[in-house]
Amino acid sequence: DTEVTQTPKHLVMGMTNKKSLKCEQHMGHRAMYWYKQKAKKPPELMFVYSYEKLSINESVPSRFSPECPNSSLLNLHLHALQPEDSALYLCASSHPAAVGSGNTIYFGEGSWLTVV
Amino acid sequence: KNEVEQSPQNLTAQEGEFITINCSYSVGISALHWLQQHPGGGIVSLFMLSSGKKKHGRLIATINIQEKHSSLHITASHPRDSAVYICAPREGAQKLVFGQGTRLTINP
Repeated sequence: DTEVTQTPKHLVMGMTNKKSLKCEQHMGHRAMYWYKQKAKKPPELMFVYSYEKLSINESVPSRFSPECPNSSLLNLHLHALQPEDSALYLCASSHPAAVGSGNTIYFGEGSWLTVV
Repeated sequence: KNEVEQSPQNLTAQEGEFITINCSYSVGISALHWLQQHPGGGIVSLFMLSSGKKKHGRLIATINIQEKHSSLHITASHPRDSAVYICAPREGAQKLVFGQGTRLTINP
């Protein structure tokens, strides 16, 4: 199983709503990532979890709140978002070690978020 | 100046043509990924390179660490190869630095 599964695939939410994006992998990867991608732009790193601990936060606004409840799951909690937060949110996973351990990265299909 | 420069930004070719996409980077890296993204959104890692050359089917990737340059080649291109190809050097263990992508269109 080399899949990273993201749900939901599409989400429309109002600026006062609270919603969550979910990501799951069963490859035994202990590094999991959230990326944000705007149209025709490359992905931007938001958060990295390594061994279920937050290791990188790229100065993301607090209206985005990540959570890693166990080694297979990664959530992104959304609250009081703005229309400019509308984007494709991609989850990814890999082994946490550096190169030399066959450390490729696997991406999910993404969750398309629209904030109205 | 961007840390990762890809060229060309857009490429249209006929089916069967040999395709080359280039990537130059200025950051120190532990490895480099070539990624493929189709319009539906999902990203696939085609290659991870730390030296030399790798081949998978019709795809070949090369890297020159000293010159900080990598290339992705597609032989006998096919319309299903149409996608955005992204060069992503890896800084340290976990941080990818993304190029702007090359939008490839292969016409039948």
